[in-house]
Amino acid sequence: DAGITQSPRYKITETGRQVTLMCHQTWSHSYMFWYRQDLGHGLRLIYYSAAADITDKGEVPDGYVVSRSKTENFPLTLESATRSQTSVYFCASRGSARDTQYFGPGTRLTVL
Amino acid sequence: DAKTTQPPSMDCAEGRAANLPCNHSTISGNEYVYWYRQIHSQGPQYIIHGLKNNETNEMASLIITEDRKSSTLILPHATLRDTAVYYCIVFISGNTPLVFGKGTRLSVIA
Repeated sequence: DAGITQSPRYKITETGRQVTLMCHQTWSHSYMFWYRQDLGHGLRLIYYSAAADITDKGEVPDGYVVSRSKTENFPLTLESATRSQTSVYFCASRGSARDTQYFGPGTRLTVL
Repeated sequence: DAKTTQPPSMDCAEGRAANLPCNHSTISGNEYVYWYRQIHSQGPQYIIHGLKNNETNEMASLIITEDRKSSTLILPHATLRDTAVYYCIVFISGNTPLVFGKGTRLSVIA
């Protein structure tokens, strides 16, 4: 009963490289979300998805791409990483519009 | 979404009740009040939520005023492990995601 997992937990990459952060949930939740957290900014929404093949932009989507081909997976791709994308990334999911939202453990990404 | 106002920080003695206030004066009738906490570097953790009535679970109690313009999260016997940032969120149903503010940093002191 893993719930919601993220991989990798830590990643160091270089400017300009493509990197993909994975998020997997075992509850068959319809909704999935990606947030980033930086000092002084709190949690900010990047993208979210209401169901497979449906995605929508959040507050800070620039530089990120998401896909949702399967209900249980919601990968986040940085197509050309920049130093400003150094952050802790949290994935979350919830079953329906009013259900509780659960968060993964986070991925700490450093872009050199 | 309605906005919430929380004090930036609070201290509480270990073993005492921690009462965390939240103002949400523009809340509408179908919006819930949710509380999450984030222990250092971990993902936010759901605590409790409510609409109109007071709620209690194994972690905490939520007291919502009759006019619903404010609420209080109560941790009845705070421990050192309750040191965290606590977020009060007003949530409108539908496809909208949770929006986090800055929260209250609670420090439980031995």
